Amino acid sequence: DAGVIQSPRHEVTEMGQEVTLRCKPISGHDYLFWYRQTMMRGLELLIYFNNNVPIDDSGMPEDRFSAKMPNASFSTLKIQPSEPRDSAVYFCASSQGLWAGELFFGEGSRLTVL
Amino acid sequence: GNSVTQMEGPVTLSEEAFLTINCTYTATGYPSLFWYVQYPGEGLQLLLKATKADDKGSNKGFEATYRKETTSFHLEKGSVQVSDSAVYFCALSDRTSGTYKYIFGTGTRLKVLA
Repeated sequence: DAGVIQSPRHEVTEMGQEVTLRCKPISGHDYLFWYRQTMMRGLELLIYFNNNVPIDDSGMPEDRFSAKMPNASFSTLKIQPSEPRDSAVYFCASSQGLWAGELFFGEGSRLTVL
Repeated sequence: GNSVTQMEGPVTLSEEAFLTINCTYTATGYPSLFWYVQYPGEGLQLLLKATKADDKGSNKGFEATYRKETTSFHLEKGSVQVSDSAVYFCALSDRTSGTYKYIFGTGTRLKVLA
């Protein structure tokens, strides 16, 4: 069975450009998470969805960030306009249940904003 | 609020040495506790978990015991190998104000030397 699939794996863009990161969760999982990982701040939860509905977006840094989950098999994280401080590895993870559930992570999308 | 505190790294050990990585937590409810491992260039993957006090999670020679009285979940391994070199994350899942929070520590990098 395929794991969580993220694209692109690497993205280099210039400041001010729009960036869209994509995620396909594991089939049957009802929770989807977006995390950001940097050396300075570690692993930060940006937003998570349950059954395609955003539940907690308190970690979204600012209005430049938006996330959508139009159906159970696809989610996007968009940054517009991008800034150099957005450079990080962005992980998508999915889970079936949450309290004792395991998060399955994708391989991440490494974003560099010049 | 909920939080996870891990010992800072990097931790450098010789092969076959004993490993301890400390993790303490604060939580308002009755959290589940997890250790995840991240190998270079990959996403995080679950190493072990425990869902109630005094439970011991174990996998691949690693162990951690859920200690409610000391709010700790320290990771141990009796004899580390070079292949254990990775970043280790302590995490908790708890329900607060009607929503779940899945929170990670900052990670501890382990280097094992041959």
